[in-house]
This record gives sequence, C-alpha cells and structure tokens, in this order.
Amino acid sequence: GQQVMQIPQYQHVQEGEDFTTYCNSSTTLSNIQWYKQRPGGHPVFLIQLVKSGEVKKQKRLTFQFGEAKKNSSLHITATQTTDVGTYFCADNAGNMLTFGGGTRLMVKP
Amino acid sequence: DGGITQSPKYLFRKEGQNVTLSCEQNLNHDAMYWYRQDPGQGLRLIYYSQIVNDFQKGDIAEGYSVSREKKESFPLTVTSAQKNPTAFYLCASSPRQGPRDFGAGTRLSVL
Repeated sequence: GQQVMQIPQYQHVQEGEDFTTYCNSSTTLSNIQWYKQRPGGHPVFLIQLVKSGEVKKQKRLTFQFGEAKKNSSLHITATQTTDVGTYFCADNAGNMLTFGGGTRLMVKP
Repeated sequence: DGGITQSPKYLFRKEGQNVTLSCEQNLNHDAMYWYRQDPGQGLRLIYYSQIVNDFQKGDIAEGYSVSREKKESFPLTVTSAQKNPTAFYLCASSPRQGPRDFGAGTRLSVL
C-alpha cells in the first residue's frame, strides 16, 4: 500500500537554528496534512496542502508541496524551545490518512 | 467546550482479558478513527467509521473490535487475540476527509 517516508528521524538543533523535515512518497500524494505532537501529547493539526507547488506559511513555519506531488517539506526558521516535538506528515487519500514515521525535533536552549 | 474525550488515560490488561477504550466526541463529526502509536513510531490506523452503524478495518485491525451505535461514540475493544497490545491508542474524528481532531489518548500496558 501507500508508504510515506519522512527524514530525518531525529534532529537536534541549537535554539535559533533552522530546521527542515522532508516527506516523500514513491507514488503521487493526494493531499498532505501536517501534524505536531508534543512529548507525551497527541497530534495537533497544523495545515493541509492540496495543490501542486503550493506554499503556505504560519509565522516561522513554511510548508511546501512538491510540483509532482510526491514530496512535501516543513521548514521552521529560527527554532525556539516551544517547537520541540515530533512533526508528522500524512497523505489524506479518501478515508485513509497514511502517516509518515515523523521527525522528532529537539532544541537546545 | 467541544472536543474528543478518551478514557481511561492509563489502562492495564491482564493476559487473556478483553479491555475497552472509550472515545466520545461532541464536535458533530461524521467520521471517527482509532490509531495505534508505538514508541518512536508513526500512527497506524486500526478502524474507522464514516457513519453510525458502519465501520471499516484499517491496516492493523486484527485483535481489535469496534462499534458505532451513536454518532458521538466509537469504543475500541482490545481482545485477547491481540498478542502485543502495549501501545498508545489515539481516537480521532473529522468532517469527511477533513483534518483529524485527536483525543488525549489511552496508554495501554500488559500486566
């Protein structure tokens, strides 16, 4: 079935550094949803990307959907300790939301 | 205060025992879902329901059962057939194909 891969699995950054997580698929993605899960918490919806080449911003977060709709990325500018958590992408195809394995972000103050 | 309520927060299962996890939503969402999350892993779909009295198997339905008798409720039973039940169980709901709203989760462990 559909597989969604995320890299890297873990990322340590110094506070103030940038961070990027990548989401890839061998097949065309329907539309991409991004979630954030704080340690010990539950996933919280961040954004949905639908169109090829789409770029959306939320403050320091920039989300992109690839032109071929086979990849997506989340970039955080100037990380803060509040950004700590695991970021998941998920392909929203019909009723089946297929999650990537997530990228765990750790920020050193 | 709208949202999804899961209970209990922590649950312990003895060998051979069935246990039921509760999930209630007051968001008036049609669709409800159960996911399993293992440490350091992504979420895997167990079951989902788009409408009352109807539900479908997800990727890892074996050893689990569900019911959807009311729009607001979607309980999950972890049966004795599930040999490795220790995990974090997350219930979610959504408008059709919309983003998922997740509950706070239930952590299930085996005694």
